[in-house]
Amino acid sequence: QVQLQESGPGLVKPSETLSLTCTVSGGPIRGYYWNWIRQPPGKGLEWIGSVYYRGNSNNNPSLKSRVTLSVDTSKDQFSLKLTSVTPADTAMYFCARDTGDNGLDSWGPGIVVTVSA
Amino acid sequence: DIQMTQSPSTLSASVGDRITITCRASQPISTWLAWYQQKPGKAPKLLIYKASTLESGVPSRFSGSGSGTEFTLTISSLQPDDFATYYCQEFNTYTFGQGTSLDIK
Repeated sequence: QVQLQESGPGLVKPSETLSLTCTVSGGPIRGYYWNWIRQPPGKGLEWIGSVYYRGNSNNNPSLKSRVTLSVDTSKDQFSLKLTSVTPADTAMYFCARDTGDNGLDSWGPGIVVTVSA
Repeated sequence: DIQMTQSPSTLSASVGDRITITCRASQPISTWLAWYQQKPGKAPKLLIYKASTLESGVPSRFSGSGSGTEFTLTISSLQPDDFATYYCQEFNTYTFGQGTSLDIK
């Protein structure tokens, strides 16, 4: 059964870049779209973007050009970079697999990222 | 942008009740819709995909229906483990609904 695990700094300073990695184990990274979702404290889910194993990606327009997604198939990892962060970017960040059948079927446990000086 | 509107925002019910949560899309999305259950501090869990297909391992008391702009998630007989927050997600622009918090009456 595929497992996902987020990793990265739990604290980022305002105006800096948030960088997270999701490691995929127990299943192939090839053949799927891989997603990032976040959830601010006490609020709902927000889709950030998705990246195909071949590297093509699409992002939530509300985040404009601040998001970069990438995949490293040699390491079974995919990554998120979010630039120019503000306290509004404080959230639990999840990575998840898109089945291709209109559902995110496997999720990492999430990682809390706080933006604060 | 596609807007997803869930109703109700909160729902109080008892064990054994039948409940329905509705998700409305601002434009037609065929059956490109999923439902998730989330408990505090945990990742969401996929319940239903393609609007009505039950994810493997999910109890049959959960069901989904709808197409176009109106969708429903039904739990036929609430169990104690079902009290959680439920989200819909469309797969055109991947927008989530705002969530429905289901708590014990």
